[in-house]
Amino acid sequence: EVQLLEFGGDLVQPGGSLRLSCAASGFTFSSFDMSWVRQAPGKGLEWVSAISGSDFRTYYADSVKGRFTISRDNSKNTMYLQMNSLRAEDTAVYYCAKSSGQRVPAAIVDWFDTWGQGTLVTVSS
Amino acid sequence: DIVMTQSPDSLAVSLGERATINCKSSQSVLYSSNNKNYLAWYQQKPGQPPKLLIYWASTRESGVPDRFSGSGSGTDFTLTISSLQAEDVAVYYCQQYYATPPAFGQGTKLEIK
Repeated sequence: EVQLLEFGGDLVQPGGSLRLSCAASGFTFSSFDMSWVRQAPGKGLEWVSAISGSDFRTYYADSVKGRFTISRDNSKNTMYLQMNSLRAEDTAVYYCAKSSGQRVPAAIVDWFDTWGQGTLVTVSS
Repeated sequence: DIVMTQSPDSLAVSLGERATINCKSSQSVLYSSNNKNYLAWYQQKPGQPPKLLIYWASTRESGVPDRFSGSGSGTDFTLTISSLQAEDVAVYYCQQYYATPPAFGQGTKLEIK
């Protein structure tokens, strides 16, 4: 069974840092692009960042560029999101999401066929 | 960036009746080289992560009941639930993957009338 499990959410002060982890199982992790998608309380979904499977190309939303860093360790089947200079507006549930793995011409990020349960990040003093 | 706009924001439908949710993109998400629409639909129940329902605008994900169907092309898309069941109460999102950043609609909350 394909599973994603996020860790690391916490209460952090504005300007602080946090690292999220996403542990994957049930599929060949290195073969799939992965993303982080967040959802502020009571709000909709916002794509945050993506990383390709084997050559580790990275992509970011403008709202987090320069502050967040996505990475992965294929030997540990784990993806990470290092979040620095956190702001109140970064408060959200952060989901780890797996891309489809299908050949999608001209698309950098395609659809998400598996999601984790999410981890809550609260930025507040 | 492509902006996705859903309508209505909320919808109340009687059990067994048809529910229709619309999604409009600010530019076409039809890729001419393969004639495919780069659009997906998700269902999110309270306290749960989103679940993929449909991709390529009209292809149902494995295991999704056939009462769910997607249609449309270019900039205008529709998710239809042919006969609403109690377990379909959720928020529904469309998502384009034609361009980066991938973008979601604001969501449509579906309730029972």
